[in-house]
Amino acid sequence: ETGVTQTPRHLVMGMTNKKSLKCEQHLGHNAMYWYKQSAKKPLELMFVYSLEERVENNSVPSRFSPECPNSSHLFLHLHTLQPEDSALYLCASSQDEGMNTEAFFGQGTRLTVV
Amino acid sequence: AQKVTQAQTEISVVEKEDVTLDCVYETRDTTYYLFWYKQPPSGELVFLIRRNSFDEQNEISGRYSWNFQKSTSSFNFTITASQVVDSAVYFCALSEQSDSWGKLQFGAGTQVVVTP
Repeated sequence: ETGVTQTPRHLVMGMTNKKSLKCEQHLGHNAMYWYKQSAKKPLELMFVYSLEERVENNSVPSRFSPECPNSSHLFLHLHTLQPEDSALYLCASSQDEGMNTEAFFGQGTRLTVV
Repeated sequence: AQKVTQAQTEISVVEKEDVTLDCVYETRDTTYYLFWYKQPPSGELVFLIRRNSFDEQNEISGRYSWNFQKSTSSFNFTITASQVVDSAVYFCALSEQSDSWGKLQFGAGTQVVVTP
């Protein structure tokens, strides 16, 4: 069982819908991340949270809104998405946000926008 | 600009063959870390190894081995005597001191297909 759990595993939503992705880590880590994995593109870092504060936002469109209510939970709120936002969204956590710390990933949410 | 290049999109081998995955990186930092992750069909990325820029010793872990050469900015990964369970996408990644917050910059990945 992975230490990072993502729900749902699959999501299909219309462009006018609002949905949320959930990530939970049971590892006692202080940093959490959202990555986007599109077909034929490298994984892209979207957001970084350290001790529940957002410390990095890689110019992500405002239709993606993260929320980190505590160090164990991370959400990605979605609204008015576009078909090109269809991708695998991966959550990760690490002990801290340092460059030498390996990240532990969840299994991802496969999002399809129709 | 892409800082991590994995030129091989897909490699197909027959079980028990060795397979080497290439990774070339680009950085101006003297302090950085390199990683390899495995992504099986289930989706999650599994950490395999971390290497810092000051440690050029090659490493072996079971059937896995890594060859880090700063002179050529390469960090190649070899699977010896491949097995069907090795079928996955393998990602090389770079984390730079000048880039804050432990950002991992990933290569495009190499799909490894091992057939019986």
